[in-house]
Amino acid sequence: GAGVSQSPSNKVTEKGKDVELRCDPISGHTALYWYRQSLGQGLEFLIYFQGNSAPDKSGLPSDRFSAERTGGSVSTLTIQRTQQEDSAVYLCASSLSEQFFGPGTRLTVL
Amino acid sequence: DQQVKQNSPSLSVQEGRISILNCDYTNSMFDYFLWYKKYPAEGPTFLISISSIKDKNEDGRFTVFLNKSAKHLSLHIVPSQPGDSAVYFCAASLAGGTSYGKLTFGQGTILTVHP
Repeated sequence: GAGVSQSPSNKVTEKGKDVELRCDPISGHTALYWYRQSLGQGLEFLIYFQGNSAPDKSGLPSDRFSAERTGGSVSTLTIQRTQQEDSAVYLCASSLSEQFFGPGTRLTVL
Repeated sequence: DQQVKQNSPSLSVQEGRISILNCDYTNSMFDYFLWYKKYPAEGPTFLISISSIKDKNEDGRFTVFLNKSAKHLSLHIVPSQPGDSAVYFCAASLAGGTSYGKLTFGQGTILTVHP
């Protein structure tokens, strides 16, 4: 497709389980970003990839969060041992200049 | 520490009138500013941006004004249309542009344009 895609669109999980969120960026975009939006909040930066490396991981809230990117394309964000405060919409963006966002994954931790 | 603030959670405007959305920031090192629009269940969509070397940028009905001394920017929409109803986020970048680096976002302002 022409835009950034994310899967799944919705994920409901139980506290303590691991989840994996996927982002397919726009083809050719070298930069990829993960953000999250908690209820009533603005978007919060998590991690930035340039190619397959992550020069800025400063926004990852704890060591339960990790992300990787392979082939300069698809990225996965993994949250281990999920907690209720992890519930949020997780957004991925890719860019050559302005950042183009995907529709997000709504994560609900029960 | 909220470095980018949108102090108005909501704004209601009549169709055809001007909408003015405001944003304040605290970090004087920010050098690029953007506005995004977001509809429910969709990701934010880029609207307009401005470099810190300018004080105004215009694109059709949308104009962004930057006042560096006041650390304040605003988005003007003239004339407002019902389709403009959405959440508007301002964002700031430290990286000399938008390509390389994180964006710091405000909390968003819900704009409602009444017919």
